[in-house]
Amino acid sequence: GAGVSQTPSNKVTEKGKYVELRCDPISGHTALYWYRQSLGQGPEFLIYFQGTGAADDSGLPNDRFFAVRPEGSVSTLKIQRTERGDSAVYLCASSQTRNQPQHFGDGTRLSIL
Amino acid sequence: AQSVTQLGSHVSVSEGALVLLRCNYSSSVPPYLFWYVQYPNQGLQLLLKYTSAATLVKGINGFEAEFKKSETSFHLTKPSAHMSDAAEYFCAVSDPGGSEKLVFGKGMKLTVNP
Repeated sequence: GAGVSQTPSNKVTEKGKYVELRCDPISGHTALYWYRQSLGQGPEFLIYFQGTGAADDSGLPNDRFFAVRPEGSVSTLKIQRTERGDSAVYLCASSQTRNQPQHFGDGTRLSIL
Repeated sequence: AQSVTQLGSHVSVSEGALVLLRCNYSSSVPPYLFWYVQYPNQGLQLLLKYTSAATLVKGINGFEAEFKKSETSFHLTKPSAHMSDAAEYFCAVSDPGGSEKLVFGKGMKLTVNP
């Protein structure tokens, strides 16, 4: 079956711009996670959705970052007033329910010039 | 707070040799532990997971890991390396009773020499 799909695969934009990154989880998966992976590092947790609600957003670095999942399926990570330090690979994962393995997408590589 | 330590960043082995990737964790509660593999320009693929059942866990592609509570370790091994094993490997920990988030180590890049 289809895995976790993330679009775009690459995004290049200028400092100060607004970006949206999309994640389409595996069908039927109620849990969805966003992580950020900087060069040479392991992924770092950003936010976790259970259904439509953000169950844990403790990893969002500041108020420029926001994520939604309005219908409990597709999620969008939104970054306002982008900074060069936001450049990273943004990974999305989904799992069937609590305490089930997380399945990762291939990520969106975001480059802020 | 939970954390994972993967000492070093790169390991090189010969094809057919033993693969040993070390992982030590810190957790205030009995954790769940995971090993993921990442190939270039791809997402992470689950190799195996420990969820408080058997301490020796077998995963895909011939990998296995042993949970040792006394050593707070969850080292990954494979008896005989294959060229296709060249990738980056991440150890991760989660709190099964709390947030579902995974806390990852910095990763270990495995090179397999012919």
